[in-house]
Amino acid sequence: NAGVTQTPKFQVLKTGQSMTLQCAQDMNHNSMYWYRQDPGMGLRLIYYSASEGTTDKGEVPNGYNVSRLNKREFSLRLESAAPSQTSVYFCASRPETLTGSSGNTIYFGEGSWLTVV
Amino acid sequence: AQSVTQLGSHVSVSEGALVLLRCNYSSSVPPYLFWYVQYPNQGLQLLLKYTTGATLVKGINGFEAEFKKSETSFHLTKPSAHMSDAAEYFCAVRDSGAGSYQLTFGKGTKLSVIP
Repeated sequence: NAGVTQTPKFQVLKTGQSMTLQCAQDMNHNSMYWYRQDPGMGLRLIYYSASEGTTDKGEVPNGYNVSRLNKREFSLRLESAAPSQTSVYFCASRPETLTGSSGNTIYFGEGSWLTVV
Repeated sequence: AQSVTQLGSHVSVSEGALVLLRCNYSSSVPPYLFWYVQYPNQGLQLLLKYTTGATLVKGINGFEAEFKKSETSFHLTKPSAHMSDAAEYFCAVRDSGAGSYQLTFGKGTKLSVIP
């Protein structure tokens, strides 16, 4: 009963390095999300994917790219990491359908702590 | 555009006292409202949600919240605080319209419980 799984849990990067955060969900959900959490800022949406094959920008997309590899997996890539991207990253998913709208619960992963030095 | 305001970034209560965490929202259409809890170094866990129907919503761990449309509020309460309630709490809102996928979070309220 894994739910939403993120890897890695902790990562330290040097400025300019690239890396990919992986996320997979086993609940057959359509929508997937990447948030970042910073002290005093709450959670801010980076990108989301309403369904397999589609992605859209959220509130803070600059410096990131995403790939919805299949229905299960939604990865977040930092092409050239900057200290401002030091944060905790959360992947999330929800059952949401393309045309429907509901108050379905959004399920979060355990988080990935990223430090850029 | 929707937004969420949580009044008070830090709230301290004594063990056994009433917990009240405030949340006000703005939304152009009827909202769906959520409260999440985050324990240290963990992800977010759903406490409760309001979608339609009864405006007083009961959640896990003895928490409840009341949707007040006239006040655009969704405050979280618990009659008697327990040490294990110490965590950060996030209010979130989502438009109920079709095709609305984004969930907007407040900045969070850190709850401390004093023995």
